[in-house]
Amino acid sequence: KQEVTQIPAALSVPEGENLVLNCSFTDSAIYNLQWFRQDPGKGLTSLLLIQSSQREQTSGRLNASLDKSSGRSTLYIAASQPGDSATYLCAVRPRGSYIPTFGRGTSLIVHP
Amino acid sequence: GAGVSQTPSNKVTEKGKYVELRCDPISGHTALYWYRQSLGQGPEFLIYFQGTGAADDSGLPNDRFFAVRPEGSVSTLKIQRTERGDSAVYLCASSLVGGEETQYFGPGTRLLVL
Repeated sequence: KQEVTQIPAALSVPEGENLVLNCSFTDSAIYNLQWFRQDPGKGLTSLLLIQSSQREQTSGRLNASLDKSSGRSTLYIAASQPGDSATYLCAVRPRGSYIPTFGRGTSLIVHP
Repeated sequence: GAGVSQTPSNKVTEKGKYVELRCDPISGHTALYWYRQSLGQGPEFLIYFQGTGAADDSGLPNDRFFAVRPEGSVSTLKIQRTERGDSAVYLCASSLVGGEETQYFGPGTRLLVL
């Protein structure tokens, strides 16, 4: 059974710092990995989707990398802003299944 | 265009009551997912529809939970004889094609069972 772990569970940083959020998974037979953002009391917003054949994806200040062999993905946030404050979740979709497994998320606070 | 909508946004009920939670997916999306999210946890899969049929209901915790999608669009999650442990946020997501596309999530229904 796929297990997804996110470290750290919580992070508080001053504005302007570059951040790295980590996601690890136990089964490397994946179809894709997706990073989401969740604001308090809201649903999830997709940030980046990395297919198993890809190494990374970039969108604006966000960069996500994938290393299947080691079962790891990182989400890099450059020049963090208070508006980045949210919970960041990673979800791994295994090969041969439509059902993703989510981590518990990293709760990020960026203070001015 | 409109995103995924869920109603009600909040639901408070008493133990033992029946509740229905509704999800309106993005128009044209054939795949629809239900998840349950407890405080401090990631979403936990409940059921996946492809069109009108439940392609995978392996995440439903027990037979008190049931979901339908009769016309391949709107879906209703039904919970019978609610228990306090059912309290959670119930999230719905849809995608254009099951599993291959980004899932778009609704805002969720916060269920509190007293």
